Amino acid sequence: NAGVTQTPKFRVLKTGQSMTLLCAQDMNHEYMYWYRQDPGMGLRLIHYSVGEGTTAKGEVPDGYNVSRLKKQNFLLGLESAAPSQTSVYFCASSPRLAGGNKETQYFGPGTRLLVL
Amino acid sequence: GENVEQHPSTLSVQEGDSAVIKCTYSDSASNYFPWYKQELGKRPQLIIDIRSNVGEKKDQRIAVTLNKTAKHFSLHITETQPEDSAVYFCAAPRGYSTLTFGKGTMLLVSP
Repeated sequence: NAGVTQTPKFRVLKTGQSMTLLCAQDMNHEYMYWYRQDPGMGLRLIHYSVGEGTTAKGEVPDGYNVSRLKKQNFLLGLESAAPSQTSVYFCASSPRLAGGNKETQYFGPGTRLLVL
Repeated sequence: GENVEQHPSTLSVQEGDSAVIKCTYSDSASNYFPWYKQELGKRPQLIIDIRSNVGEKKDQRIAVTLNKTAKHFSLHITETQPEDSAVYFCAAPRGYSTLTFGKGTMLLVSP
């Protein structure tokens, strides 16, 4: 049981290049999330998904796109990378509980992205 | 949407002392409050959570208290050890399926 995994672990991009970050979970969770973590800013939600085929915007969605074609995978795309997107990106997943009750989120190991 | 304020941003204690981190939230309907610990270079991991039907929850040296009237919740770590050094994040629900995180507290425990 690997939990939540992310690829790649580290990437360097030049301004204007594109890339896709992959998140995979083997816990059969309904919900998946993409966050970025910057010094002093905590974890900020980029996009999230409440089920296969659905996505929604979070707090800081500009410059990113996502897709959830399979329940276990959640992809984060950068179409034209900018230096402001230099950050550590974390994926997370959580189960859906009945009655709107919340459950913890399980995080992946993170992807460190540097945009030059 | 939910707004979560976390204080202090840094906290230095001596080994064996207690540490307290406080968070305030804005949405009175919020009902779930987790705390995450993130060691340097690692992923955030849940250490304790509390739901709004209880006022306190303990797990060995860690406890969380909730004051729904004042809309704040706190993390208490007793008998701190060097391995408690990390960044701690609180969170509160935002909407039906997401969380809003505080900006984090860097805890440094000196031997």
